[in-house]
Amino acid sequence: DIVLTQSPDSLAVSLGEGATINCKSSQSVLYRSDNKNYLAWYQHKPGQPPKLLISWASTRESGVPVRFSGSGSGTDFTLTISNLQAEDVAVYYCQQYSQSPRTFGQGTKLEIK
Amino acid sequence: QVQLVQSGAEVRKPGASVKVSCKSSGDTFTDYYMHWVRQAPGQGLECMGWINLYSGDTNYAQKFQGRVTMTRDTSITTAYMELTRLRSDDTAMYYCSRASGGAPFDYWGQGTLVTVST
Repeated sequence: DIVLTQSPDSLAVSLGEGATINCKSSQSVLYRSDNKNYLAWYQHKPGQPPKLLISWASTRESGVPVRFSGSGSGTDFTLTISNLQAEDVAVYYCQQYSQSPRTFGQGTKLEIK
Repeated sequence: QVQLVQSGAEVRKPGASVKVSCKSSGDTFTDYYMHWVRQAPGQGLECMGWINLYSGDTNYAQKFQGRVTMTRDTSITTAYMELTRLRSDDTAMYYCSRASGGAPFDYWGQGTLVTVST
C-alpha cells in the first residue's frame, strides 16, 4: 500500500497569515501515461463529511477559494492556504488515488493562533 | 444536484453485523464507483474498499477482507456496506463517497455512526 506522511501533525496560524501542509508519498503517484499526479487534498470539519479541495495535485475544485492552492509532483506535495480565515479551521488530508487501496495521510489539524 | 444519503446510526454488540446503505440521486448511478471510508474516534480517514456500480465488481482493503461485503441495487440506486464480526474498534463514522474511475471522491454521504458496545 502507498503510505502518505503529512507534516506537521498540527499547526496554529494567525488570521490573515499563510499555512503550509506537506504530504510525502512512499511511491510516486505520477502516471507517465497522462502526466498527472493522482493526489487530492480534502478539508474535514467536525460534524461534516470531508470536502474535496484540490485534485490532480494542483487543480482547485469549483467553488474552492483561490487562497487554497496545491503543488508538487511525484512523491512530494504541498497544500498552501494564504490569508487564513476563521472558517479554514479544520483537519486537512492528502489522498492518493493512483492505486487501490486508496490511502490518506494521517491528517493535519489547522487552528487559529 | 448529486446527493448521497446514508442510513441512520446503529448500535451493535461485539460479534454482530451491520449493513449501512447509501442512496444516490442526481446523476447516473452506474457511471461511478462507490467507496466506503471510515473514521474511528480521534483517528484519521481509512478507505475500506470500493464497488463498481455498473458491474458490481469489488475491491476490499486487505484489513477488511473476509469481514466486509459491498453490494448495490441499481433499481433503487443504493449501495450497501456490510461489516461482520464486529469488534469494539469498529466503532466509527462510516462514509460512502463517489468517484469516477481513477478520480478523487467528489461527493460524500453525511456519514453513519456505528457503535459497537456490550
